Amino acid sequence: EVQLLESGGGLVQPGGSLRLSCGASGFTFSSYAMGWVRQPPGKGLEWVSGISFNAGSIYYAASVKGRFTISRDNSKNTLYLQMDSLRAEDTAVYYCAKDFYSGSGSFFDYWGQGTLVTVSS
Amino acid sequence: EIVLTQSPGTLCLSPGERATLSCRASQSVSSNYLAWYQQKPGQAPRLLIYGASSRATGIPDRFSGSGSATDFTLTISRLEPEDFAVYYCQQYGSTLRTFGQGTKVEIK
Repeated sequence: EVQLLESGGGLVQPGGSLRLSCGASGFTFSSYAMGWVRQPPGKGLEWVSGISFNAGSIYYAASVKGRFTISRDNSKNTLYLQMDSLRAEDTAVYYCAKDFYSGSGSFFDYWGQGTLVTVSS
Repeated sequence: EIVLTQSPGTLCLSPGERATLSCRASQSVSSNYLAWYQQKPGQAPRLLIYGASSRATGIPDRFSGSGSATDFTLTISRLEPEDFAVYYCQQYGSTLRTFGQGTKVEIK
C-alpha cells in the first residue's frame, strides 16, 4: 500500500524558514517523480514544485521560485521542501504527492494527508 | 502558464441526478494531459480521471471524462451520496502544472 507521510509543518514568523519532509513507502520511491501541492485554508489547490525520479529535472511555480527548494534522498525514500523567506500568503496545507511517471510533469496518483504551515507574527 | 477556469463554481443537485462539470484552458493542453480530482472536507484529493478520459484504478464507471484542446468535461452519470464534494481539474501538458479553482457539488 502506498503511503506518504508529511512532517515539519508549524507556525513560523514572516521571513522565516521551514523544511517539510515526506516519507514514502509501498512503492519504489527512486523510480517516480514527486511533487508538492498546497491549499490555503478554505481555498483551492496550487501546484508548488516537482522533481523527477533522479532530481535531474526540477520545476517551481512562479509564486515560490527563488524562495523554495525541492529535493529528494532516494536512499531514505524521502522528499523535502525547504521554504525560505516565508510570507503570510504561503500559509496553507502542504501535500506531498506521487507522480504517475518517472519524469516530473504528470498527474498525481497518490497524496499524503498534508501538513499545515502557518506564517504569522 | 496555462490558466484553467472551472464552471460552475457550485452545482446544486439531488442524488440520482447527472452532474456536468466544465474545465476550460487558456491555451491548448498538450496531448490532452488533463486530470480530474475529487476532494472531500478534511481529506487529500483523490485522482479520478487522467488523460482527459481514462478512469483511475478503482473509480466507478459513473465518472467519465471527455474533451480536448481547451474544453474538458467531467460527468457523473448518477450522483451517489458520497459524490458530493469539490472537484478540481489539473493540466500537466506544461512543466508548470496548474489546477482549476474547483467546482463544489452540493446536495440540493
